[in-house]
Amino acid sequence: GESVGLHLPTLSVQEGDNSIINCAYSNSASDYFIWYKQESGKGPQFIIDIRSNMDKRQGQRVTVLLNKTVKHLSLQIAATQPGDSAVYFCAEKTEGRRALTFGSGTRLQVQP
Amino acid sequence: GAGVSQSPSNKVTEKGKDVELRCDPISGHTALYWYRQSLGQGLEFLIYFQGNSAPDKSGLPSDRFSAERTGGSVSTLTIQRTQQEDSAVYLCASSLFGTAEFYGYTFGSGTRLTVV
Repeated sequence: GESVGLHLPTLSVQEGDNSIINCAYSNSASDYFIWYKQESGKGPQFIIDIRSNMDKRQGQRVTVLLNKTVKHLSLQIAATQPGDSAVYFCAEKTEGRRALTFGSGTRLQVQP
Repeated sequence: GAGVSQSPSNKVTEKGKDVELRCDPISGHTALYWYRQSLGQGLEFLIYFQGNSAPDKSGLPSDRFSAERTGGSVSTLTIQRTQQEDSAVYLCASSLFGTAEFYGYTFGSGTRLTVV
């Protein structure tokens, strides 16, 4: 069946460094991808999204890269800050289906 | 309201009891979703409502789970005869037009359900 997974369950970085969080997906019919950030005790918060007809999209301090050939998605956070510490989820949507499928999450820890 | 509101924020119930979880979506959002998040896991889709269309119930894990949405706004997720494996955080989200790709979901803070 379809699945969305993450390579690293925990990522520890130094404050000011760049962070890269990776995600693999298996469904070739995925047409839309989202990254969410979830802080403790809160619901997931939208960070950035990308359609399958794009390979890169940039936001404020964040960049999402999509490689459809190898079904890989990454989230890059520039100049990581302590406030970036959270669990990050990738999610994908299949064309024709409304619901998102989420990965299991990566915990980002920012060391001062 | 300004965001998606869920109540209660925490619920402890005895095994075998029924529980009701409430979600109040953002005003004007036509789509509403329920997800379940077990400890240290990703989000598991449960059910989706879009306007007056029949809901997509394909994610409900058993017939003990049901949900309704009254008047296209507030939704209630009901779990009958709760089991310990039902313990999780239940998240509600809403979006405009039911098309996540344009607006993404806005999630509530969830209801943490503990079955003892």
